[in-house]
Amino acid sequence: EIVLTQSPGTLSLSPGERATLSCRASQSITGTFVAWYQQKPGQAPRLLTYGASSRAPGIPDRFTGSGSGTDFTLTISRLEPEDFAVYYCQQYGRSPITFGQGTRLEIK
Amino acid sequence: EVLLVESGGVVVQPGGSLRLSCAASGFTFDDYTMHWVRQAPGKGLEWVSLIGLDGTTTYYADSVKGRFTISRDNSNRLVHLQMNSLRSEDTALYYCAKDIGTAYYLFDYWGQGTLVTVSS
Repeated sequence: EIVLTQSPGTLSLSPGERATLSCRASQSITGTFVAWYQQKPGQAPRLLTYGASSRAPGIPDRFTGSGSGTDFTLTISRLEPEDFAVYYCQQYGRSPITFGQGTRLEIK
Repeated sequence: EVLLVESGGVVVQPGGSLRLSCAASGFTFDDYTMHWVRQAPGKGLEWVSLIGLDGTTTYYADSVKGRFTISRDNSNRLVHLQMNSLRSEDTALYYCAKDIGTAYYLFDYWGQGTLVTVSS
């Protein structure tokens, strides 16, 4: 099973700043099959990005997924107030699919 | 509008059984693989099970294999999860999730979840 380790556990930033969230895999993930989800309190997760650089429909272009091999990143270029949430990475390149433990993005 | 509505979550004793249901609307149901994903209280996400378009293909996480059974009723746009031999570690919010296609294991729509609590 591929273990995904997200860092940092908590990221404190201000609106307007740039956020960089990391996801490291215990084994190389073929085909850049990594996705990112956002989850707000009391809500279901929402798919943000997947594959090398694809955004889900309706996702603003300030969200960008990148990376390859074992190191993947979600970048939020300029934080909006609604972006403060928990973010999960997911690998879907090898069974069983797995999720990271999450990064909490909080307002500084 | 795509909607997924789960039901069936309750408090159940260890060793007990439960059947969850997910009612889908707003998309061509039998064109998409469906999944169950769970989230223990305060914890992360865990994929549980997948069912293919016609219900003949199913996969399970090792943690539930042999205890849970997924099924679907395409006529009524329903997905079910039969849960047997429940354990305390099965306590979680269970989400029904729609795949973006056929077994991509990417989830573009989720329900609001139904809470299963396994406790004596």
